[in-house]
Amino acid sequence: SQTIHQWPATLVQPVGSPLSLECTVEGTSNPNLYWYRQAAGRGLQLLFYSVGIGQISSEVPQNLSASRPQDRQFILSSKKLLLSDSGFYLCAWSVSRIAKNIQYFGAGTRLSVL
Amino acid sequence: AQKVTQAQTEISVVEKEDVTLDCVYETRDTTYYLFWYKQPPSGELVFLIRRNSFDEQNEISGRYSWNFQKSTSSFNFTITASQVVDSAVYFCALSESNSGYALNFGKGTSLLVTP
Repeated sequence: SQTIHQWPATLVQPVGSPLSLECTVEGTSNPNLYWYRQAAGRGLQLLFYSVGIGQISSEVPQNLSASRPQDRQFILSSKKLLLSDSGFYLCAWSVSRIAKNIQYFGAGTRLSVL
Repeated sequence: AQKVTQAQTEISVVEKEDVTLDCVYETRDTTYYLFWYKQPPSGELVFLIRRNSFDEQNEISGRYSWNFQKSTSSFNFTITASQVVDSAVYFCALSESNSGYALNFGKGTSLLVTP
């Protein structure tokens, strides 16, 4: 069966520090991968998605970046965090075939930038 | 522009009451998918249902039911005989072909079920 792992679960970082959040999927190949952010309140915002290794689409301009160095690995990074980067970051995966595109989410990372 | 509107920000009901969560969407695609997810206090999003644009049959799963109406662009979710464990934030989402089938979420409805 497929599983998705996200780490760390919580993170407290000072303003201006770098960031690296990692997400890996097991039990499937060539998944679509996604990064979402849920800021204070509840809204979920799509940040990046990837349909293959090295293929990244950005939905929102910001100081974050994403990379997909391996088929089942998706990394969210920042060189210098801002206060506004605080939030709950969720990684998700779906099979790449159109017919069944349900997205399954990881447990999330709560990031506090102080 | 918001593509998915969940007009109800918060709903509070007493256990065993029925409750309907509204969702209205907007798209120009002829092929699209609609979803409902549940987010309990732990934060992880739990998939509940997916419906494609060609299938307007209503669906029932236990105490949950969904009413999809293309004519009104709505995909409403009803919980029958609510329970305390149903307390969570519920998100409706739209997936379109021009965004890699990424999910466009509504702002969510926070449901509180009290004993």
